[in-house]
Amino acid sequence: KQEVTQIPAALSVPEGENLVLNCSFTDSAIYNLQWFRQDPGKGLTSLLLIQSSQREQTSGRLNASLDKSSGRSTLYIAASQPGDSATYLCAATPKNNDMRFGAGTRLTVKP
Amino acid sequence: DTGVSQDPRHKITKRGQNVTFRCDPISEHNRLYWYRQTLGQGPEFLTYFQNEAQLEKSRLLSDRFSAERPKGSFSTLEIQRTEQGDSAMYLCASSLATPTGELFFGEGSRLTVL
Repeated sequence: KQEVTQIPAALSVPEGENLVLNCSFTDSAIYNLQWFRQDPGKGLTSLLLIQSSQREQTSGRLNASLDKSSGRSTLYIAASQPGDSATYLCAATPKNNDMRFGAGTRLTVKP
Repeated sequence: DTGVSQDPRHKITKRGQNVTFRCDPISEHNRLYWYRQTLGQGPEFLTYFQNEAQLEKSRLLSDRFSAERPKGSFSTLEIQRTEQGDSAMYLCASSLATPTGELFFGEGSRLTVL
């Protein structure tokens, strides 16, 4: 059974700082890994999707990497802004399509 | 709006009542997923459909829960004889039927059981 862990559970940084969120998964036989953002009381917004054959994906100030052999993914946020404050979730899709989520990292960017 | 839509957004009910949630996926997506999320946790998989076929169900989906997708378009999730432990956000997502398909989520339906 796929287990997904995210560290840290919470992170507070000053505006402008670059930061890294970590995600680890136990079963490397995945189809893809997806990063989401969730604002309080809202649904999930897809940020980046990395296919199993890829090493990284970039979108604006966001860069996600994937290392299947070590069971790790990172989400790098450059020049953080207060509007980036949210919970960030990673999810790994195993072969049975039962996408498994981590508990998320709650990010606060202080002005 | 062509995203995933869910209805109702909020539902408050008394213990023992039945509730039903509806999800309308993105129109060209043939896979539809239901997840449950409690405060401070990531979403937990409940079930998913490919077209009208329910292909997988989690053991979290007790016999009080039933999901349907009768014509391969919208889906309903019914909870019978609700319990306080059913209070959660119920999230629907859709994707194309490829293993690498990106999931798109709706805003969720928040259930409070009194």
